[in-house]
Formats: sequence, structure tokens, C-alpha cells
Amino acid sequence: DADVTQTPRNRITKTGKRIMLECSQTKGHDRMYWYRQDPGLGLRLIYYSFDVKDINKGEISDGYSVSRQAQAKFSLSLESAIPNQTALYFCATSDRRDRGYWDEQFFGPGTRLTVL
Amino acid sequence: AQTVTQSQPEMSVQEAETVTLSCTYDTSENNYYLFWYKQPPSRQMILVIRQEAYKQQNATENRFSVNFQKAAKSFSLKISDSQLGDTAMYFCAFMKQERKFYFGSGTKLNVKP
Repeated sequence: DADVTQTPRNRITKTGKRIMLECSQTKGHDRMYWYRQDPGLGLRLIYYSFDVKDINKGEISDGYSVSRQAQAKFSLSLESAIPNQTALYFCATSDRRDRGYWDEQFFGPGTRLTVL
Repeated sequence: AQTVTQSQPEMSVQEAETVTLSCTYDTSENNYYLFWYKQPPSRQMILVIRQEAYKQQNATENRFSVNFQKAAKSFSLKISDSQLGDTAMYFCAFMKQERKFYFGSGTKLNVKP
């Protein structure tokens, strides 16, 4: 089973609809992240959470909100979807423990969202 | 602000040959970490290699190696003996102590048979 899962994998919706993308992880990591990927722009950070009570905005948080329901779950919501939110969305996790060196990010499989 | 620049949107290489992907970054930090991630058509993000800024020795993972030039803020990825399975988007990423990642725009690598 995958360590980081995202649902749905693909979604088509209409402008103005509310959409929730869900992320779950079994890695036991405290840190979770939401990114969006657009062609030619790479991955950009939307929100990140270092534990259940610590949620922070990333570079492009406007139009998005998040909820950290538990250590293992981090949801991204688009309250009123618009076409320029069409993108590939990734959830990622990393380990909080300070081991004195890096902690890589582990990515989910991505959610392809299309807003018509 | 941290920025990561990948100046090669797309590259091609013949199978079994060597290719180098470029990455430069901008930061005022002294301690940080650098990564290369691979994204094949399956769209899964896969860590290829990583480098700590305080280590002068270049990281190597099998056919993948980096050329880390801290003063020049350059972090290139060399793929030796290219294989068809190396066809993918490659992203350079920068992480500093606060554990936020910054990604480049990616280089699409096509390995030709």
C-alpha cells in the first residue's frame, strides 16, 4: 500500500463549485504539504502544516483553505473553484524529527483537477 | 526570497550517453539542502539525489551524480549511461532549515533509443 494517498486521483468540476482534495499518510510524519504543479512553473507551495495545530500559508494560498483533521490527514479545499485552478495537485509529507540533516519529502500520486 | 532556476525546458539524449541538467538557485542562507526529483509520465515524484550545502563532496547515486558549486549557487545533475526509463521531468529543489521546499520549473528529458 502507498504511504501517501490522495483522493480523488482525477476530478472535473465547474466554476463556482466547492471541491475538497484529501491526503492521508501512513508514514507517521508530522509535516504535511500541499503543492500545485502547472506546466512551466514547477511545484508551488499552497499550504503546509508542521503539526495538527500549526498551519501556514505558502506562496499561493489565495483561493484555497486547508484542514488538518489528524496527524495523518490533510485536506485542501477550493471554496469556489475557478478555471485557473486547473492543475495537478500534490500532497507531500516529511519527518519532523531533527536528525541533524535533511528530511526529504514523500509525495502522493497527485490529483488532476480540471475546472470548467 | 529563494528562487530556483532551471534554464533548460527540454533536453534529449541518446540511450547510453551522458547528459547534464542545470540548476541554479538564489539564497542568502548558508545551510540548506538541494534535491533532484524525477517525475515520469506516471506523474509520481521520485527523489533521485540530494546534497547538503555544508558537504563539499558531490553526491552520487549509481548513474546519477551532481556537480555542486556553492559559491556559484549551481547544482547540476549528471546522468551517465542514460536509459529509456530515465525519460521524465526533472525538478531541482531547494530546502532550508524551516523545511519549506522551493522547486524549479523543471527540465523535460527525453532519452532516445
